[in-house]
Amino acid sequence: ETGVTQSPTHLIKTRGQQVTLRCSSQSGHNTVSWYQQALGQGPQFIFQYYREEENGRGNFPPRFSGLQFPNYSSELNVNALELDDSALYLCASSLGGSGETQYFGPGTRLLVL
Amino acid sequence: AQSVTQPDIHITVSEGASLELRCNYSYGATPYLFWYVQSPGQGLQLLLKYFSGDTLVQGIKGFEAEFKRSQSSFNLRKPSVHWSDAAEYFCAVVASGGYNKLIFGAGTRLAVHP
Repeated sequence: ETGVTQSPTHLIKTRGQQVTLRCSSQSGHNTVSWYQQALGQGPQFIFQYYREEENGRGNFPPRFSGLQFPNYSSELNVNALELDDSALYLCASSLGGSGETQYFGPGTRLLVL
Repeated sequence: AQSVTQPDIHITVSEGASLELRCNYSYGATPYLFWYVQSPGQGLQLLLKYFSGDTLVQGIKGFEAEFKRSQSSFNLRKPSVHWSDAAEYFCAVVASGGYNKLIFGAGTRLAVHP
């Protein structure tokens, strides 16, 4: 059984640029959630995709957007990058339904200069 | 609003000593609760979870946690800490709303002295 994978592992961008982060979910999981973890803080929920539809969103601006593909892999896109977007971005996969255990990938560390 | 509080930002224990990490939650109904561990630069690994039933739950790596509704707490314990347990520990609760959103505490960083 393959776990959750994310790419790239590290990324450096400059303010105003756009970035795409990728996530492959664990085999059999149809739900992907994205979290932002700033340095020294707990992860903050960005949004969740279930069967290719966004079904929940946290307190993040519209320049944070996502996609889920038929194979349940997912992308997180961030436009007009700001310095405060520097963080570890975590992807988690699970079966659909509230309370299902989420399994996390290793994360992508984004640095915005 | 639902929330999770981990009162201890940083804890240091000696190897072989017992450990208790505190977690308090704010939630109206019976919560789904989790403990995750994060090693430096890594993602989150699930230690254990509570959904219902027995209030003492066993997890991996010798960890256990006890759900106490009266105290709104879900404290993590280990009887004897190993140096490899040094990491950051996060308590989380599933938010209400019908989808699987986790609300995390700020984390407790554990250091282990030899």
